[in-house]
Amino acid sequence: AQSVTQPDIHITVSEGASLELRCNYSYGATPYLFWYVQSPGQGLQLLLKYFSGDTLVQGIKGFEAEFKRSQSSFNLRKPSVHWSDAAEYFCAVGARRDDKIIFGKGTRLHILP
Amino acid sequence: GAVVSQHPSWVICKSGTSVKIECRSLDFQATTMFWYRQFPKQSLMLMATSNEGSKATYEQGVEKDKFLINHASLTLSTLTVTSAHPEDSSFYICSARDRGGFNEQFFGPGTRLTVL
Repeated sequence: AQSVTQPDIHITVSEGASLELRCNYSYGATPYLFWYVQSPGQGLQLLLKYFSGDTLVQGIKGFEAEFKRSQSSFNLRKPSVHWSDAAEYFCAVGARRDDKIIFGKGTRLHILP
Repeated sequence: GAVVSQHPSWVICKSGTSVKIECRSLDFQATTMFWYRQFPKQSLMLMATSNEGSKATYEQGVEKDKFLINHASLTLSTLTVTSAHPEDSSFYICSARDRGGFNEQFFGPGTRLTVL
């Protein structure tokens, strides 16, 4: 079955510290992978996506993610977080010829001053 | 580019009334639009997929007669919550897929529905 697992419901880091949000997927076909961010009461903003090619993907706001096929993972990283990064982060997976994308349950990021 | 709008951003209605939510792709043509529902502090649940000019495809467990979806043009899809009840209160988010693009969805800002 197709699924996306974000094992951490909440993560708290200090401002300026590095961040890694975990995402594992189960998908039969070659996956398209996405990370979205949602601020409270807002829609989703795409941070980055992986379709093919270089497995290290750069996104907006200083985020990057690495696709590791052998581990079925697509972890999101940022070297130094800012207070404005506090939000909900969703990992998602889809396929080239399938309309649907499947979302993980999300990880809420808290930033300590 | 790739902007999706929703209207209204929030709505309060009485139980038993119907509410229509619009989703528009502002700068691209969207043959496919998606409607999601999000409960507080939870992930997005896909309700239905709508394709321009054809009937929407509903996910299992979603009542077709309760949530009417119309995708009348390449830039507009509407979700009508009929005979709304308090349990329909939720955050509804639409997304649109660019006609010529990869399988990437662009999301609207969401509509907060509160049914009294």
